[in-house]
Amino acid sequence: NAGVTQTPKFRILKIGQSMTLQCAQDMNHNYMYWYRQDPGMGLKLIYYSVGAGITDKGEVPNGYNVSRSTTEDFPLRLELAAPSQTSVYFCASSTQRGMGSDTQYFGPGTRLTVL
Amino acid sequence: GDSVTQMEGPVTLSEEAFLTINCTYTATGYPSLFWYVQYPGEGLQLLLKATKADDKGSNKGFEATYRKETTSFHLEKGSVQVSDSAVYFCALSERGSNYKLTFGKGTLLTVNP
Repeated sequence: NAGVTQTPKFRILKIGQSMTLQCAQDMNHNYMYWYRQDPGMGLKLIYYSVGAGITDKGEVPNGYNVSRSTTEDFPLRLELAAPSQTSVYFCASSTQRGMGSDTQYFGPGTRLTVL
Repeated sequence: GDSVTQMEGPVTLSEEAFLTINCTYTATGYPSLFWYVQYPGEGLQLLLKATKADDKGSNKGFEATYRKETTSFHLEKGSVQVSDSAVYFCALSERGSNYKLTFGKGTLLTVNP
């Protein structure tokens, strides 16, 4: 099992550019999440998905979009990059059979800088 | 809404010292509680968890007890090692919020030899 994989590891964007952060998991998890981590601020939830075809907003969704066409993949799209989106992005997945007690497994992260 | 407040860092200790990182929470229901650890340059990984009052989670010498009466989940270790240097996050998850994790801001721990 590779677990949760994310690509790319690093990326520098210019203001106004677009990009997609890729996330894939091979654990057949139904729940997937996107978080951003800003220094000293913990992790904030951007979007999440409870299964293929179902997505919902988290705490900080503005400027991002997601889709979930398969169980395995959950890409995050930035349409018009802004300096405020400079952050480290983490994807996570879990099963939630344990009604809230299941572990979320995190990918290694993507460090994005917008200049 | 749900929230988690944890001890501000950074925390610097000598090897073999006792560690406590405080964590308190606010939740509308009956959450599960977690400690995640992030080693330098890596993603988060689960350290321990507890799902009901008075449960004690433990792993790698770390422990935390779910205290419903004080809404707390403090992390402790009796004797820290240099390899424990990392950022520690307290978090909660609730069924009513689709099991999303709500994180504290994280506490940076540095252990010196």
